[in-house]
Amino acid sequence: QKEVEQNSGPLSVPEGAIASLNCTYSDRGSQSFFWYRQYSGKSPELIMFIYSNGDKEDGRFTAQLNKASQYVSLLIRDSQPSDSATYLCAVAPPSGSARQLTFGSGTQLTVLP
Amino acid sequence: NAGVTQTPKFQVLKTGQSMTLQCAQDMNHNSMYWYRQDPGMGLRLIYYSASEGTTDKGEVPNGYNVSRLNKREFSLRLESAAPSQTSVYFCASSGGAGIPYYGYTFGSGTRLTVV
Repeated sequence: QKEVEQNSGPLSVPEGAIASLNCTYSDRGSQSFFWYRQYSGKSPELIMFIYSNGDKEDGRFTAQLNKASQYVSLLIRDSQPSDSATYLCAVAPPSGSARQLTFGSGTQLTVLP
Repeated sequence: NAGVTQTPKFQVLKTGQSMTLQCAQDMNHNSMYWYRQDPGMGLRLIYYSASEGTTDKGEVPNGYNVSRLNKREFSLRLESAAPSQTSVYFCASSGGAGIPYYGYTFGSGTRLTVV
């Protein structure tokens, strides 16, 4: 059973702080990793994807991947109240025509003004 | 706007009734998926279609059937609805096997209640 584990939270940070979200996965062959943001009552939207070990930065968001430890994280710098949402980690298999994603259960983030 | 369109957005069914959830994408994606989302359970794959003409079971297929009508459309059918199928259903599509792989584009979801 391929698994993706996230701390369910909830996680609260003050406005302007760094929010750190963590995810571990069980399939060592996985190669593609995704972070989705989901506002209450809405559908998930892709905010970051990463393939290579190390860091990938996009604006206030940084994704970190460590394949040896089977660990993916998302850092949100200068957190804003608008970042309050549930963040879903997702992992894709290394190959196959469908590339279906396995999702973690999500971490609920609240940014306090 | 380009994307994934799901209908209906809300539905209430009585136990034993049937219904079909519709999904269409206009991004020329090969692969399409149906997920359900329940509190504390995350997104769980019901069925997927790697390409037009193929469908396969996911993690929780019992009680559901699917049809890949053409490259654009992928429908999910509940033949005899049960209260355990109360959930939010998401359709998604992806470009498939290429590198890099950009993951999914999701539809807006269908909130289904079975009473």
